[in-house]
Amino acid sequence: AQSVTQLDSHVSVSEGTPVLLRCNYSSSYSPSLFWYVQHPNKGLQLLLKYTSAATLVKGINGFEAEFKKSETSFHLTKPSAHMSDAAEYFCVVTPSTGFQKLVFGTGTRLLVSP
Amino acid sequence: GAVVSQHPSWVICKSGTSVKIECRSLDFQATTMFWYRQFPKQSLMLMATSNEGSKATYEQGVEKDKFLINHASLTLSTLTVTSAHPEDSSFYICSVYSSGEYNEQFFGPGTRLTVL
Repeated sequence: AQSVTQLDSHVSVSEGTPVLLRCNYSSSYSPSLFWYVQHPNKGLQLLLKYTSAATLVKGINGFEAEFKKSETSFHLTKPSAHMSDAAEYFCVVTPSTGFQKLVFGTGTRLLVSP
Repeated sequence: GAVVSQHPSWVICKSGTSVKIECRSLDFQATTMFWYRQFPKQSLMLMATSNEGSKATYEQGVEKDKFLINHASLTLSTLTVTSAHPEDSSFYICSVYSSGEYNEQFFGPGTRLTVL
């Protein structure tokens, strides 16, 4: 069985300050992990994914995440927040091999103030 | 990656009517598509897996007679909400699965259904 826990339902930052969105996972198998972003009334956009290669994964728009097996974590970070980063972020887990059935976290809403 | 469209982007209907939502893979032949439902301020929940040319596989708790899924071609899957009720109001999102180079799902923009 697989699951993800996003530890914060809301995160508020000021523009130009660092962003940290936390995610812990549980998986019976070697997992693949993803971060998706969803802007209001829009579909999901893939930010980055981990598939058992490099543990530090760089994504689009300056985001990156580090896979830490010992901590079962896959936290999303960005050095400097931009107003356009305000959105809902989902951490997602799936088995790294075989058929893809995504399990979504509950989401973290990122608020960016000027 | 694949480009996925959904139609309509939003729909309002009366209780008891049926609504069809289309999901199209514009540049990729998708043997597998997924349908998700997202209630306000909640996460996405997988409803069903749609396989081209065969019956969809529904997740536990999803009524297959209420949410009819047809995947008649490699570029089109439809979700029909039959006898819709206000509790069916939600954001419905489809995705296509690419097992090749990307091994990931590509999501459509979603359809907001409001049942009065």
